[in-house]
Amino acid sequence: GQQVMQIPQYQHVQEGEDFTTYCNSSTTLSNIQWYKQRPGGHPVFLIQLVKSGEVKKQKRLTFQFGEAKKNSSLHITATQTTDVGTYFCAGPNSGGSNYKLTFGKGTLLTVNP
Amino acid sequence: NAGVTQTPKFQVLKTGQSMTLQCAQDMNHEYMSWYRQDPGMGLRLIHYSVGAGITDQGEVPNGYNVSRSTTEDFPLRLLSAAPSQTSVYFCASSYSSGGASGETQYFGPGTRLLVL
Repeated sequence: GQQVMQIPQYQHVQEGEDFTTYCNSSTTLSNIQWYKQRPGGHPVFLIQLVKSGEVKKQKRLTFQFGEAKKNSSLHITATQTTDVGTYFCAGPNSGGSNYKLTFGKGTLLTVNP
Repeated sequence: NAGVTQTPKFQVLKTGQSMTLQCAQDMNHEYMSWYRQDPGMGLRLIHYSVGAGITDQGEVPNGYNVSRSTTEDFPLRLLSAAPSQTSVYFCASSYSSGGASGETQYFGPGTRLLVL
């Protein structure tokens, strides 16, 4: 079946440092979504990428979708303590419907103030 | 709108007991799903529904039943709880927007379940 792999599993940074998490799918994706889960909280949707090579920015967050639509990345510039949490990527299962998503295992980001 | 609500927030069960985790949404979303989250395992899909009366299995359906009698509600039933079902359970809903730029999932706050 479809697999979505995320690295690294954990990342600890000093406040102000940059952070990147990478997502790789075993199959070509029609789109990819990113979610953030704060400690003790629930996943919250951040963004969806659809087009090959797409780049989207949300303030200090930059999201990229690979040309082959099999990989994606999330980059945070100058991390802040509010960025702490687990970041998940997710892609639709075969068939393309987003109501049936396969999630990566997530990257837990901790930030030292 | 309350969004997606889940009850209870916490539950302790003994092995063999049954229980129902409740999930409701007030956004008139067609799609609803149940995920379980275990340390280091990410979110795994248990069951999902594409509308009232229609359900299907996800990645890890064994030991769980679902039904969808209304658009709003999507309960998850554990028939005979096992320690392996200790987990955090999230319900999510989404709607069809059509095309490749499809549905995003709105998650409930979760139910933390401990099976002894």
